[in-house]
Amino acid sequence: EAQVTQNPRYLITVTGKKLTVTCSQNMNHEYMSWYRQDPGLGLRQIYYSMNVEVTDKGDVPEGYKVSRKEKRNFPLILESPSPNQTSLYFCATKGAHHNEQFFGPGTRLTVL
Amino acid sequence: EDQVTQSPEALRLQEGESSSLNCSYTVSGLRGLFWYRQDPGKGPEFLFTLYSAGEEKEKERLKATLTKKESFLHITAPKPEDSATYLCAVQAINGSGNTGKLIFGQGTTLQVKP
Repeated sequence: EAQVTQNPRYLITVTGKKLTVTCSQNMNHEYMSWYRQDPGLGLRQIYYSMNVEVTDKGDVPEGYKVSRKEKRNFPLILESPSPNQTSLYFCATKGAHHNEQFFGPGTRLTVL
Repeated sequence: EDQVTQSPEALRLQEGESSSLNCSYTVSGLRGLFWYRQDPGKGPEFLFTLYSAGEEKEKERLKATLTKKESFLHITAPKPEDSATYLCAVQAINGSGNTGKLIFGQGTTLQVKP
């Protein structure tokens, strides 16, 4: 079954404590992306990766890092989380010849 | 600046009452326009991709259309199970070709009452 998995699904943490949200896909897709979703602001793209060699910023990259060492994984790293990074995070992937993005189930992050 | 605006923010319909959702966009060059459905607490689910003005796509009670400045999602005789948030997104082209950037609108939350 084609899947995008995210871990953890829920996380409560404190300001400044480094965390990583993992994203993994089993569809052999080149493209992967991270979004955050906030009430009234909609979905905003954080980073995207066209393939394992190319990663680029989306609209709201500040405070985030990503890593694409292998095709199937695209972790999102918050080196020093702050309360304004409290949000619902989605990972997504799509194939080269299709523009349909498959989204993961989401990670709800709370930074105290 | 590339921008996507959806209207209305919220829409309440009676079952069977047809209506349309609007997505207006401004981009330097359009690679594609996408419609997604999102249920509460879940990730968006793909509905349609439109590439050029005049193109139309249909799926059950939904029909998406595209002009040079906007897209419409027409809902014919909606049912309560069509209640969800509908998201519109555009992918732009830059001077180098396709970009991986996807810009979403804020969504329209549709409620269909029986």
